Amino acid sequence: QKEVEQDPGPLSVPEGAIVSLNCTYSNSAFQYFMWYRQYSRKGPELLMYTYSSGNKEDGRFTAQVDKSSKYISLFIRDSQPSDSATYLCAMKIGDYKLSFGAGTTVTVRA
Amino acid sequence: KAGVTQTPRYLIKTRGQQVTLSCSPISGHRSVSWYQQTPGQGLQFLFEYFSETQRNKGNFPGRFSGRQFSNSRSEMNVSTLELGDSALYLCASSSIGGTGGNEQYFGPGTRLTVT
Repeated sequence: QKEVEQDPGPLSVPEGAIVSLNCTYSNSAFQYFMWYRQYSRKGPELLMYTYSSGNKEDGRFTAQVDKSSKYISLFIRDSQPSDSATYLCAMKIGDYKLSFGAGTTVTVRA
Repeated sequence: KAGVTQTPRYLIKTRGQQVTLSCSPISGHRSVSWYQQTPGQGLQFLFEYFSETQRNKGNFPGRFSGRQFSNSRSEMNVSTLELGDSALYLCASSSIGGTGGNEQYFGPGTRLTVT
């Protein structure tokens, strides 16, 4: 079993829809949780960073962490074609390495 | 503030050769991590350097090595290249975190193709 499991997708949604992305993890020692967006042939771009259970909002993006269930989510409201990308969840213990999910490819149809 | 830069962006090498990739972190960042990204395995951690010392290492063979210079710039080297080493190699930098977490910012990557 992988440390971090991410819903594989792909996801295809119409413009304006809410995109919901999920990851589960097995290591309860993970403290810090991130979501990255990666466009084709580019490096991952940090979208959200959080370290506590609950919700964190940034514009159209909401990150949700439930440490008791070892479950994290990213919601994208009012999705745009420019949101079409691969989304990667990542988590870490202290300053140790990032452990990534496999990524979910999202396509927002105009 | 300039982001993480990686050179070269693209590289084609032949099996058996060796290659050196370079990464310049964000100004003020002292930690540099390297990752390999492939379609089959996703993003896998190679190693991390902090203040010129390797602090963490992933599960890669000894053909993969790295170093960090006093200005925090880092290089990674792969010797005796194999076809399976074809991948996007990503560098990420982060600021001093102590025992706390800190965000990692990625560069655009170096796409290595081994023929």
